[in-house]
Amino acid sequence: QKEVEQDPGPLSVPEGAIVSLNCTYSNSAFQYFMWYRQYSRKGPELLMYTYSSGNKEDGRFTAQVDKSSKYISLFIRDSQPSDSATYLCATLSWGAQKLVFGQGTRLTINP
Amino acid sequence: GAVVSQHPSWVICKSGTSVKIECRSLDFQATTMFWYRQFPKQSLMLMATSNEGSKATYEQGVEKDKFLINHASLTLSTLTVTSAHPEDSSFYICSASAEGSGSNEQFFGPGTRLTVL
Repeated sequence: QKEVEQDPGPLSVPEGAIVSLNCTYSNSAFQYFMWYRQYSRKGPELLMYTYSSGNKEDGRFTAQVDKSSKYISLFIRDSQPSDSATYLCATLSWGAQKLVFGQGTRLTINP
Repeated sequence: GAVVSQHPSWVICKSGTSVKIECRSLDFQATTMFWYRQFPKQSLMLMATSNEGSKATYEQGVEKDKFLINHASLTLSTLTVTSAHPEDSSFYICSASAEGSGSNEQFFGPGTRLTVL
């Protein structure tokens, strides 16, 4: 079993839809949670960074962490074609340097 | 925000040659840099963690004699793929952590696509 599980998709939705991306993790030591967006042939770009249970909002993006269930989510409101990319969740233990990534979900927003 | 660059962005080489990839933190000092490789439609795989002035720590299964990492300054780390073969063709990405930022956030470079013929 991988430490971080993420459905690779692909996921295709119409423009304007709400997108829900999810990951589960198995290690209770994970304290920090990130969502990265990666366009094709580019490096990952940090979208959201959280370290506590609850919601964090930034524009059209909301990151949600439920430590009791070991479940993290990223919601995208009013999705745009420019949101089409691969979304990677990642976790980190306190004091650790090594990020643990999910497999990434390929998302396509259709105009 | 913090910017990390990589050079070259794309390289093609013949089998048996060596290729050097540079990773630079442009506006911050990075005590720690990380090297990843990524195959098509797959996630990032950490190859090694590099701390300035010390030897890199390689992940299990990564050949340290084949993938030479040097982190000679707080703004530059290099990855040299020695005696490259077609199976080494991949997307190589570096990331860097900012010294003294109080955060463990990693900033990623744009990646280098290596094709070995």
